[in-house]
Formats: sequence, structure tokens, C-alpha cells
Amino acid sequence: QVQLVESGGGVVQPGRSLRLSCAASGFTFSNYAMHWVRQAPGKGLEWVAVIWYDGSNEDYEDSVRGRFTISRDNSKNTLSLQMNNLRGEDTAVYYCARVPSLIPEAGFDIWGQGTMVVVSS
Amino acid sequence: DIQMTQSPSSLSASIGDRVTITCRASQGFSNYLAWYQQKPGRAPRLLINAVFTLQSGVPSRFSGSGSGRDFTLTISSLQPEDVATYYCQAYNSAPFTFGPGTKVNIK
Repeated sequence: QVQLVESGGGVVQPGRSLRLSCAASGFTFSNYAMHWVRQAPGKGLEWVAVIWYDGSNEDYEDSVRGRFTISRDNSKNTLSLQMNNLRGEDTAVYYCARVPSLIPEAGFDIWGQGTMVVVSS
Repeated sequence: DIQMTQSPSSLSASIGDRVTITCRASQGFSNYLAWYQQKPGRAPRLLINAVFTLQSGVPSRFSGSGSGRDFTLTISSLQPEDVATYYCQAYNSAPFTFGPGTKVNIK
């Protein structure tokens, strides 16, 4: 079935790096734009980053721009989020999400189960 | 950037009640508006796309409406399984802003 599975979360010290992955299955990954969304404990949803279906374009929320990099490997059906110089306010559950479109402007119709990132010394 | 507000922030209603959640954008935009349902400990679920297009498998008691800056999610007859937090989202362009959420409980 159509599925997204995140991995790579964990506890990391401030200033360190972490790489999240999202494995896609059950659909033609290369036909869809993909997003990362996060949710801090007890808080609402916050959009983080987007990448076009072919990786040709990407965009970021201002607080992560320059620290986070979204990428994809369509040959491996995998989405990634490289997070550098992590801060306490990056602590959250990170979700990958699909849009039913080549470009990002659509509702997010498939979500992973999320992976928790805790930034703490 | 578009900012989204929702009202109320929480509500309690009885089974069978009609429930309405409002979402207001800081500026008008076309029909790039989605609604999500999130149950505790679960990932969000897309309910409605493009203001009023119900996703496959979503009960017909859910409906969306609105235009410009003001949008509404309506649950026509509240059911126990509808206990959740509901978020609106503007997806016309980055940042793909979510509203702060409305928590729905059973009275």
C-alpha cells in the first residue's frame, strides 16, 4: 500500500547534525513533490521544507533556511532532510508528506508516522 | 507570508451536534486551502483539499466552504471518532502555513 516511513531521529546535542530519511513505497515516488513538516511537543504543525518531484527546486521555512537541506533520490524512493547546527527549538516530531502533484501546491495527502528529534545537551 | 488564524481554539459539543470551525487568512488567495484532522499520537490526515473537495474515505458529514480570506470546516453531526485537533493550511506558495489548530472534544 502507499506508505511513507521516516527514520533517523534521536537525541542530539545543540550545534550537532542529524539526517532524517523517508522511505516511500506503493507509488511512483518520482511523480510527486514532497514536504517535511514538524510538530514540537504539545504544539501545532509547522511546515519545514519542500522539494519538487525531480529535485529541481526546493524551499524552506525561514528559521531552518541555511541549516537544513532537503534532498531526494528518486532511484531509491527516498527523501532526506539534513539538519545541521541544531537548536533546542528544532525539537519536534518530523513528518514527511506527499502532495498528489509534481509541484508543491496541493494538500498533503499521505503522511509518514513521524520520527522524533530531541536537541538537548 | 500568509498568516492563518483559527477559531475557536477549542470546543466541546454533544454527539450529533453541528460543529463549525473557522479559518481566516491574513490575505486573500485562491482555493489553495486544506483541512487536516490529527488524533493524539497520530500523523495528520487530509480531510479536505481545495476548500471543499472531500478526500476519498472521509465521511460525508465533513464539508468545507469559503473563499478569499475566510474558510470553514463543518461537521454536520459530531461523532465520537471526530475527537481530534483540526488544522487549516494555505498551500498556494511557501511557506505552506498551518493554522494553530482547533481541538474538538465531546461534551
